[in-house]
Amino acid sequence: GNSVTQMEGPVTLSEEAFLTINCTYTATGYPSLFWYVQYPGEGLQLLLKATKADDKGSNKGFEATYRKETTSFHLEKGSVQVSDSAVYFCALRASGGSYIPTFGRGTSLIVHP
Amino acid sequence: NAGVTQTPKFQVLKTGQSMTLQCAQDMNHEYMSWYRQDPGMGLRLIHYSVGAGITDQGEVPNGYNVSRSTTEDFPLRLLSAAPSQTSVYFCASSYVSRDRGGEQYFGPGTRLTVT
Repeated sequence: GNSVTQMEGPVTLSEEAFLTINCTYTATGYPSLFWYVQYPGEGLQLLLKATKADDKGSNKGFEATYRKETTSFHLEKGSVQVSDSAVYFCALRASGGSYIPTFGRGTSLIVHP
Repeated sequence: NAGVTQTPKFQVLKTGQSMTLQCAQDMNHEYMSWYRQDPGMGLRLIHYSVGAGITDQGEVPNGYNVSRSTTEDFPLRLLSAAPSQTSVYFCASSYVSRDRGGEQYFGPGTRLTVT
């Protein structure tokens, strides 16, 4: 079956540090890949996505590249802010007729001033 | 567009009581689903639907019922609340076809406590 594995948190950084949150996946075919962010007390919202190999998704300074050869979709940001403190979820939607997404467990990010 | 709305935001129930969590979306999405989120457990799928009149069970369906009489609404019913159902509940929706976007739209959540 499909699966998504994320690095466990919490990830604790100082403001302006470089962020990487690792995400690897298992799926047949060519899944679409997503990063969602959940701020405290809120629902998840889409941060960025990529639908085919070598695509780079980007939004709000965050980037992730769809790497089919390593089945990875790592999230990066060059300089984090306190306001980026949240839980980040990696997810996939498999190709073919599947419409049920597969989510990772989530990685908590804490950014200190 | 209001997106995905959920009511209530907070609810406290006594063991054995029943209630319905409401979810509505105005994006004409075919796929709707319910998740529960517990500390350290990520998101767990309770029930889902791919259109009016069609529902199916997810990973943790016991103790919950759903129905889908319209495209817009997907209520979740707790039949006899138990303390193990204390959780945060999220409703989500999306297009069935991945070609139309593929991403999920989430509601703001309902925080339920069962005493």
